[in-house]
Amino acid sequence: EPEVTQTPSHQVTQMGQEVILRCVPISNHLYFYWYRQILGQKVEFLVSFYNNEISEKSEIFDDQFSVERPDGSNFTLKIRSTKLEDSAMYFCASSSGLAGDLPYEQYFGPGTRLTVT
Amino acid sequence: SQELEQSPQSLIVQEGKNLTINCTSSKTLYGLYWYKQKYGEGLIFLMMLQKGGEEKSHEKITAKLDEKKQQSSLHITASQPSHAGIYLCGADTTSGTYKYIFGTGTRLKVLA
Repeated sequence: EPEVTQTPSHQVTQMGQEVILRCVPISNHLYFYWYRQILGQKVEFLVSFYNNEISEKSEIFDDQFSVERPDGSNFTLKIRSTKLEDSAMYFCASSSGLAGDLPYEQYFGPGTRLTVT
Repeated sequence: SQELEQSPQSLIVQEGKNLTINCTSSKTLYGLYWYKQKYGEGLIFLMMLQKGGEEKSHEKITAKLDEKKQQSSLHITASQPSHAGIYLCGADTTSGTYKYIFGTGTRLKVLA
């Protein structure tokens, strides 16, 4: 069964450094998302992406963050100048958007745990 | 903005007991999703409900969405230690966007 994959599973970085979290969505999906979950807290929406542009972003997704689909398979989240409070689990998700498929059913990756020291 | 509230926040049950977790929305739900999460790990999809009054079952877990589509319940029959974890409800917002919102989670512990 197709699945969303994420790499790395765990990333440790020093405060102020830039990190890139990578996701490979399900191959024929058209919508892509990033969520984050600070340990012990709610899963929070960050951004959705469609047709090579951001379709919606939350107030968390400020200038420190950016997303990109550099090729036909990867979807990345870049966090510039990381802060301690960026430490969280980051989940990528994708959904189909194709006629006949449930449009809003999102498939989640296993997550990347980001630890900022 | 739409919010999802889950209750209870945590639950400890003896193995073999039944339990119910509730998820209540401040607005009508378009789609309601139940996930299970081990603490600090990924989300495991359990079930999706879309229609008012819909009920789905998988093994010993049953999820229902009320007729008004504002409340869902997750019921576990004859709980086992393997059911332990954090149960999250997630929902499509009805604002025409595709983002999910999530409930606060219910932490379940099953005592052997």
